Amino acid sequence: DAKTTQPPSMDCAEGRAANLPCNHSTISGNEYVYWYRQIHSQGPQYIIHGLKNNETNEMASLIITEDRKSSTLILPHATLRDTAVYYCIVRLRRGGTSYGKLTFGQGTILTVHP
Amino acid sequence: SAVISQKPSRDICQRGTSLTIQCQVDSQVTMMFWYRQQPGQSLTLIATANQGSEATYESGFVIDKFPISRPNLTFSTLTVSNMSPEDSSIYLCSVEGDTANYGYTFGSGTRLTVV
Repeated sequence: DAKTTQPPSMDCAEGRAANLPCNHSTISGNEYVYWYRQIHSQGPQYIIHGLKNNETNEMASLIITEDRKSSTLILPHATLRDTAVYYCIVRLRRGGTSYGKLTFGQGTILTVHP
Repeated sequence: SAVISQKPSRDICQRGTSLTIQCQVDSQVTMMFWYRQQPGQSLTLIATANQGSEATYESGFVIDKFPISRPNLTFSTLTVSNMSPEDSSIYLCSVEGDTANYGYTFGSGTRLTVV
């Protein structure tokens, strides 16, 4: 699976948008970009994923650059409960030999402050 | 999405002993995954468990140390054998999402402390 690079930490004011970047310059055409977060003492929680188009759900938006070498997770109105470690992961589509495996990097510690 | 029940939630064990962690899913799943999260670190995949076949272990993890059972499509166990303080970690199980290419669901984890 392609390696990802994320800043180790970021701060955000409550109510503002949190924009978390991720570089995945070696991503291949059959790999998706996934975002998870892990709130302290809990298991990781799925947020969103995409292949090449921008995606939005009730939790966040995912912006993927046209060359697919980087992406940004956007939490439009961050709250204190969004304080967590955010992981950007690239993963093979179904059918790949490494299908199912998630390789976690160190992630970004997002701190939302009042 | 699937709901995972993982037991125990935490335990303190003596070195040299073994602990078996259980993972129960509320729906049938093909693949189940076991992860380890050492203190202050990210998650590392230990092995993939498919029903009816031997688990597939990642580099650095061996069956003698982390035997896995997968007796049916809703249940799996991970045993941490002959424990040492270095095994103190959070152990998590995970399953694939309900539909193709959806996110994975994780259990709440087992916090293991070896003394």
